[in-house]
Amino acid sequence: SYELTQPPSVSVSPGQTASITCSGDKLGDKYACWYQQKPGQSPVLVIYQDNKRPSGIPERFSGSNSENTATLTISGTQAMDEADYYCQTWDSSSVVFGGGTKLTVL
Amino acid sequence: EVQLVESGGGLVPPGGSLRLSCAASGFTFSTYAMSWVRQAPGKGLEWVSGISGSAGSTYYADSVKGRFTISRDNSRNTLYLQVNSLRAEDTAVYYCAKWVMDYGDYNMDVWGQGTTVTVSS
Repeated sequence: SYELTQPPSVSVSPGQTASITCSGDKLGDKYACWYQQKPGQSPVLVIYQDNKRPSGIPERFSGSNSENTATLTISGTQAMDEADYYCQTWDSSSVVFGGGTKLTVL
Repeated sequence: EVQLVESGGGLVPPGGSLRLSCAASGFTFSTYAMSWVRQAPGKGLEWVSGISGSAGSTYYADSVKGRFTISRDNSRNTLYLQVNSLRAEDTAVYYCAKWVMDYGDYNMDVWGQGTTVTVSS
């Protein structure tokens, strides 16, 4: 079955740029999306179709997807961005989630 | 306002059954696919099942195939998940989500607050 691999944790200083990767075989040939989940809350879609932002998502969130890696980039990271982030795609009639990355803003 | 409200979770012994519900409002329910996603305590997201707007197509994760059944009642704007033969590893928060299926894009743009299923004797 298809797998998506994310780093378990990423740390960033406030105001800096955070990059979270998501790797999968030929992932660039598929669409990837990203969710943010804060403790005790439901997931929120932050990027879809590789690089589109839903209404209400700040411009500092951006995405890319090429070859085997999708990347979520948060520019000018704020304390409120501290959360778990999950990538997701579709393969062989199944939704596939990455294992999640805990973003720490310190 | 688009809203999804799950219900039906609870404590059930191994081998037991439950029916989870998800009441939708604020959008034309019948025109959108819907999905169930679960999250075990302290773990990541796991997709469980999905269903097209017309209910003509259903999809299941291998881990639940043959035990869980997804369905919907478009007249009641409600999504269901019948969960049978429950195991300890099915313990999780179960979320329903509005599922966008659009030319290769399969994102979930609205999520409910979740309902908790605990499988224990």
